[in-house]
Amino acid sequence: GAVVSQHPSRVICKSGTSVKIECRSLDFQATTMFWYRQFPKKSLMLMATSNEGSKATYEQGVEKDKFLINHASLTLSTLTVTSAHPEDSSFYICSAREAGGPYEQYFGPGTRLTVT
Amino acid sequence: GNSVTQMEGPVTLSEEAFLTINCTYTATGYPSLFWYVQYPGEGLQLLLKATKADDKGSNKGFEATYRKETTSFHLEKGSVQVSDSAVYFCALSNTGTASKLTFGTGTRLQVTL
Repeated sequence: GAVVSQHPSRVICKSGTSVKIECRSLDFQATTMFWYRQFPKKSLMLMATSNEGSKATYEQGVEKDKFLINHASLTLSTLTVTSAHPEDSSFYICSAREAGGPYEQYFGPGTRLTVT
Repeated sequence: GNSVTQMEGPVTLSEEAFLTINCTYTATGYPSLFWYVQYPGEGLQLLLKATKADDKGSNKGFEATYRKETTSFHLEKGSVQVSDSAVYFCALSNTGTASKLTFGTGTRLQVTL
């Protein structure tokens, strides 16, 4: 139980284009989902917290117009990197917290984004 | 602000060796402490946790004790197996902050026969 998937697992896009990453909770409903970014040999950095049906809360320094987050249902959150640049290349990881469940985040396997 | 410092890897051990991965933290208040494990190709999984000073978290033979006096939460296992090869992340969360996690950089463990 408590499985979170991400799609795609890897994506390559050209500079200036936008790319969407999906995060799904497969066997539970998630009122809260989190998006992280991981640089090589660095820790996971929380980008934003999204609650179903409301606007995401972004961490300081994260551009909300560049990283669009939508959490339209209890099983799906999306992260759209708009007008991507090579410096946006990174490993993006989502996690989900079960509605009414324990105080724990379940993590997806991550998405490797490469912007050329 | 909060921060977590882990020993750099990779750590390479022979099967049945003793494992220690050091983790120290800086935080306001009384955080909860966690160890997550990431096996190849999979998402992070919660390995163990401790929510107050002197608590010991344990799971699958791994243990870590919340030491407030040394602000540490070192991960230990008495006898590692090849299947323990993974990346281990230490993390903390301040109670009441909607479970926002602050992670360390991760330590890769490679166990050989």
